[in-house]
Amino acid sequence: AQSVTQLDSHVSVSEGTPVLLRCNYSSSYSPSLFWYVQHPNKGLQLLLKYTSAATLVKGINGFEAEFKKSETSFHLTKPSAHMSDAAEYFCVTGYNQFYFGTGTSLTVIP
Amino acid sequence: EPEVTQTPSHQVTQMGQEVILRCVPISNHLYFYWYRQILGQKVEFLVSFYNNEISEKSEIFDDQFSVERPDGSNFTLKIRSTKLEDSAMYFCASSGDGDNEQFFGPGTRLTVL
Repeated sequence: AQSVTQLDSHVSVSEGTPVLLRCNYSSSYSPSLFWYVQHPNKGLQLLLKYTSAATLVKGINGFEAEFKKSETSFHLTKPSAHMSDAAEYFCVTGYNQFYFGTGTSLTVIP
Repeated sequence: EPEVTQTPSHQVTQMGQEVILRCVPISNHLYFYWYRQILGQKVEFLVSFYNNEISEKSEIFDDQFSVERPDGSNFTLKIRSTKLEDSAMYFCASSGDGDNEQFFGPGTRLTVL
């Protein structure tokens, strides 16, 4: 069975400080993993995806994620938060049928 | 940049009425999906569609639901007799051949009264 668990429902950071959004996955084989972002009244936008080519995945807007098999984790990071990063972030796994995490709401404090 | 579009953005209906949610996937994509998100809950898979037939569906996708690709551009989700618990945001997505990346539309918020 495939699933992802997002460990924080809300994360709050100050502008210019690092962002860490945590995700753990459960899969009996090498998973496909994604991070999507949803801004208010917008669709889900793909930030990055892991498909076993490289463990450190770089995405758009300065985000990256590292696949750690030993920890079954795929945490999303960004060195310096920007106000425009405030949004809902979803960790996702699956092939054809996607399984979503519960989402992490990121607040950026000016 | 190509994108998935959905109409309407918000649909209000009475319980028991039929609704059709419309999606225009990215033009060269071959795989189409519907998901829903009830307020405060996870995004849940409903159905995937390929080559003019359903390829996978979840337990949620019962006989009240149907999907159709009536022409070369639209992909629709029909709910035959809406219930209060069908109130949710419905997302359409599409992906290309051999590509596991799904592109999502902005969603249709369905409110059943």
